[in-house]
This record gives sequence, structure tokens and C-alpha cells, in this order.
Amino acid sequence: GAGVSQSPSNKVTEKGKDVELRCDPISGHTALYWYRQRLGQGLEFLIYFQGNSAPDKSGLPSDRFSAERTGESVSTLTIQRTQQEDSAVYLCASSKRTGSDYGYTFGSGTRLTVV
Amino acid sequence: SQQGEEDPQALSIQEGENATMNCSYKTSINNLQWYRQNSGRGLVHLILIRSNEREKHSGRLRVTLDTSKKSSSLLITASRAADTASYFCATPVGQKLVFGQGTRLTINP
Repeated sequence: GAGVSQSPSNKVTEKGKDVELRCDPISGHTALYWYRQRLGQGLEFLIYFQGNSAPDKSGLPSDRFSAERTGESVSTLTIQRTQQEDSAVYLCASSKRTGSDYGYTFGSGTRLTVV
Repeated sequence: SQQGEEDPQALSIQEGENATMNCSYKTSINNLQWYRQNSGRGLVHLILIRSNEREKHSGRLRVTLDTSKKSSSLLITASRAADTASYFCATPVGQKLVFGQGTRLTINP
């Protein structure tokens, strides 16, 4: 597609429920990144994928968080047993490949509210 | 700890004035990037400056980089109401970008 697409744009869930967030990167972009942004804060790195290489999961805050990516296409971020502190905007970005010379293209994010 | 930190945290100016935001970082880099975020949603890539560049222009944007001081500045000239947004610097750490906390810029009519 023309841009990075994220769904849903908003999600309200009850504490303890599982949620799944989806990201469709730009076609041909081999690198895909997930970030979390709490209200009024900067971006917190969660995980990235590069082609068929093992993902860098170093930013995932707990074992309740997991992510998958099918080849070089769609990625899903799953949060199990959601907690109120998981409330944030979850941003996905893609770039031509990992490495610092490429700017990221971001999706519009999923605003997650845990009640 | 943050790799990049913006200063000031918030800036409010009159339309038509110039806005300057600063970014400091800790480790050696091969480039630094600036992004804009409207309304707490997706970020838009503005400009990338490489470590061997000292200044770069894009329209009303001017970015400088001083690797000896580990700092960068973003200047927006002749500001407009539409420039109201949060601005983030980002620096590469390994294979990913690390973002600062951002500067919230408000342009008053």
C-alpha cells in the first residue's frame, strides 16, 4: 500500500483481556518496528523485524507482550492479560531495511485504553 | 537513559517567528533524524543529517549537527499555525532508532 496501515485505530478493553494489534507495512520495506508512546511521553522501542532474521525483542516490557511477522508483510502485536499501565498509543513503522540510513514511515497508531 | 534529549520541552511563539529546538545525544552516531508528530499519532520523517554534514536545509527547515558537542538543532523559519506539533530527534542505536522525549511547539496566531 501507499503507507503503513494500523488497525484498529482505537481499542478499549477490559483489564485482563488479550488484545491483538495489526500493522501492514509499506510493500518492499523489509524492516518493521513497534513502539509504544504513553501520554505526553516519547517513543519506547518494543521490537523490530528484519526480513527472515530473528527479531530483536529487547524492548518488550514483559512476557505478556509478543509479536509476530509473516515474511515481510503483516505484523501483529499481542498483549495478554492487559493491565491499565498498558494504556498507550502503539505505533508501527517500516523502512527499506534496518540500519540507520533509512528514515521510518509510521502508521497512525492504535490507541489502546485498558479499563 | 535516553540517547537523545530535546530542549526545550515546550515552546510557544507567535506566527511568523522562527522556532529553534535542540537535541543532545550521548554516543557516537552516523546520522541524526528529526520527526514531527501531530495530535499524538504517527510521526512524519522531516530530515536526516549525516555525521559528516554540518548543516542541511529542507524548505523552511534548517538542521545543524555538531558531533563534537553531540548536539543538533532544528530551526523552523517563518512559522505557521500548521507547524504546531511535537518534534522529536532520533538517533540510531544498533539497528533501531531511539527517540527523545520531544519538544511541544505551539504557534499562536
